[in-house]
Amino acid sequence: EAQVTQNPRYLITVTGKKLTVTCSQNMNHEYMSWYRQDPGLGLRQIYYSMNVEVTDKGDVPEGYKVSRKEKRNFPLILESPSPNQTSLYFCASSLRGGADGYTFGSGTRLTVV
Amino acid sequence: EDQVTQSPEALRLQEGESSSLNCSYTVSGLRGLFWYRQDPGKGPEFLFTLYSAGEEKEKERLKATLTKKESFLHITAPKPEDSATYLCAVEVRGSTLGRLYFGRGTQLTVWP
Repeated sequence: EAQVTQNPRYLITVTGKKLTVTCSQNMNHEYMSWYRQDPGLGLRQIYYSMNVEVTDKGDVPEGYKVSRKEKRNFPLILESPSPNQTSLYFCASSLRGGADGYTFGSGTRLTVV
Repeated sequence: EDQVTQSPEALRLQEGESSSLNCSYTVSGLRGLFWYRQDPGKGPEFLFTLYSAGEEKEKERLKATLTKKESFLHITAPKPEDSATYLCAVEVRGSTLGRLYFGRGTQLTVWP
C-alpha cells in the first residue's frame, strides 16, 4: 500500500530533550515536506525537500532541523524542544510537487512540557 | 507577502443544501492552486489541482473553479459524509517547487 509513515503518533517530552520524528514513504517520491498544524493557524510548512540532499526552509523553520540522506526518509529533528513546539506535525510526499498532490502521513501529536 | 485566505471559517449546511467555499489568494504569480479535505485526527487528502483562470475540476459532489484572484469549491447536494475541513493551498511562480502556502481552512458540517 502506498503510504507515508510517521513515527511516533504521540509523544510527550520535556523541554530541551532532543527528539526525532521519523517519516518514510514507499512511493519513490521526489518531494517531501514537514508541516505543523495549530488551532487557528492552519498548516504551516516547516521544511521541504526536492530530492536527496536538497532541502529548503518553509514558513516556520526556527528550532527544527531536517535531513534527506535517502529518497524515502525525511526525519524532523528538534535539537532542544520548547513548549511552543507543542503541535500536530504532518509529513507529506509528492512525485512532482504540488501539481500531483501530496500524500500526507497520519500525524504526530507532540507535547513539550 | 503572499497570502491565502479562506472563507467562511465554518459552514453548517443541511443535507442537500448546496453552497460554496471561497479561497482568495494574493500572490505574485500563481503556479497552481490545490484543494484538500481533512477529517478530524487525520492528514489532509488531496482533491484537486487548478492551474489557470477558467479551469474547473469535478469529483462527485465537489466542483472546484479558479479565477485570477480566487477559487471556489462548490458542493452540490451535500451529504453528512462531506463533513470535514477543506483546505486550500497555492504554489507560487518563482518559488521552489514544493513550497506551499495553506489557508486556514473552512470547517464544513452537513447535518441530516
